[in-house]
This record gives sequence, structure tokens and C-alpha cells, in this order.
Amino acid sequence: QVKLVQSGAEVKRPGSSVKVSCKTSGGSFSTYTISWVRQAPGQGLEWMGRLIAIADITDYAQKFQGRLTITADRSSSTAYMELRRLRSDDTAVYYCVREASIPVFDLVLDGWIDPWGQGTLVTVSS
Amino acid sequence: DIVMTQSPLSLPVTPGEPASISCRSSQSLLESNGYTYLSWYLQKPGQSPQLLIYLGSLRASGVPDRFSGSGSGTDFTLKISTVEAEDVGVYYCMQGLQTPLTFGGGTKVEIK
Repeated sequence: QVKLVQSGAEVKRPGSSVKVSCKTSGGSFSTYTISWVRQAPGQGLEWMGRLIAIADITDYAQKFQGRLTITADRSSSTAYMELRRLRSDDTAVYYCVREASIPVFDLVLDGWIDPWGQGTLVTVSS
Repeated sequence: DIVMTQSPLSLPVTPGEPASISCRSSQSLLESNGYTYLSWYLQKPGQSPQLLIYLGSLRASGVPDRFSGSGSGTDFTLKISTVEAEDVGVYYCMQGLQTPLTFGGGTKVEIK
């Protein structure tokens, strides 16, 4: 069973950067697609970007282009999300998630999220 | 980007009664492989979201069979056959057809 464990809460100043880690276990990290989803206080869910580990390809939402970097350390099966030039509206819970997939005959079906990490609260305040 | 719209925003329910949540996408979620890239999640109070339904109608492991997903193209429904107290929380639909992955705004289910 795949499990995702994230680093602890952070408090940051506007203009600074934050780096959140996501340690995976229970499967083969090199086959994962890890995404990051955030949730502002009392708000809905927002996809930020992904890392397709097997191809070492990243894909970011346009909104975060230039400010977001998702990386991985394969030796420790850990993914990282770094967000730069933080603003107060970046205050949110950040979730590390795995985009799941299953093989069906000669297809690989994907497009859903399972599991979710426990979330990391990032507070941006002066 | 594909826009996901859920209704209602809030759903008061009575335990033992059925409940239904609607989700609409701005374009068809039917992939050329014949599968529909729509999933449902429940975020219980104070917890991370958890997967309920994937590929439109397939229940995730451990999800009670009172939960069912249906629909095609752009219109989808999550049904709870008989609501239990533990089903309270916010339900989200999500499209996985293309990036950016996008979510509905959520439906808050609470006990009357």
C-alpha cells in the first residue's frame, strides 16, 4: 500500500521560498506520477503541477510557471515542492498526491488521485 | 482548462435517506480508449481528501457499496443509497483527462 508522508508546517515571510518534502513508501517510486494540490483556508482544491518520475518530466499549471519547482530524490523515494516569491495568498495546506494508474490489457488507465499525503500547512505572513 | 461545476453547494441529509450530487464538465471526459476520466473524493472534517470513485463508476478499495458513480460525457452523479452519519464532509469531483487537473467547487454534506 502506497503511503505519502509530508514534512511539517512552515511559516514564511512574503517574498521568501518554501520547500515541502513528501516521502513515499510501499511501492516503486520510479513508476509514480506525483502531483501537488493545495487548499487555501476554507476553499477548494487546486492542482499545481506534477512530476512523472519514470520520464523525469514536470508539468506545471500556468498559474505557477516560474515560481514552482517539483523535484525528486530517487535514492530516498522523496518528492519535493518548492514555491518561490511567496505571497499572503499562498497560505494554504499543500498536499502531495499520487496519480494512480492500472494496466488493463494493453492500456494503462490513469487520471485519478490515490493516495493523498497528510498535508502541510504553509502560512505566509509578515 | 476544463471547468468542473458541482451542485448543490450544500446538502443537508437525513441518515437512512438517499443523497445525490451532480458534477458537470465544460467538455467531454470520455477518452478515446472508451473510459471516462472523472473521479470523486470525500474530505471528512480535518482530514485529507480520500478517493471514492474513479473512471466514472469504479469504487475504490474499501469504499462502501452505498456509494455509486454514474454519468457520461459531461454530466455525472454521485449517489449515496442510504446516508450514514460518517458520510458528512465535502465531496469533490475531479477531471483527470488533461492537465491542469481541475476540481469542482465542492458539495458540503451535513446531517439535518
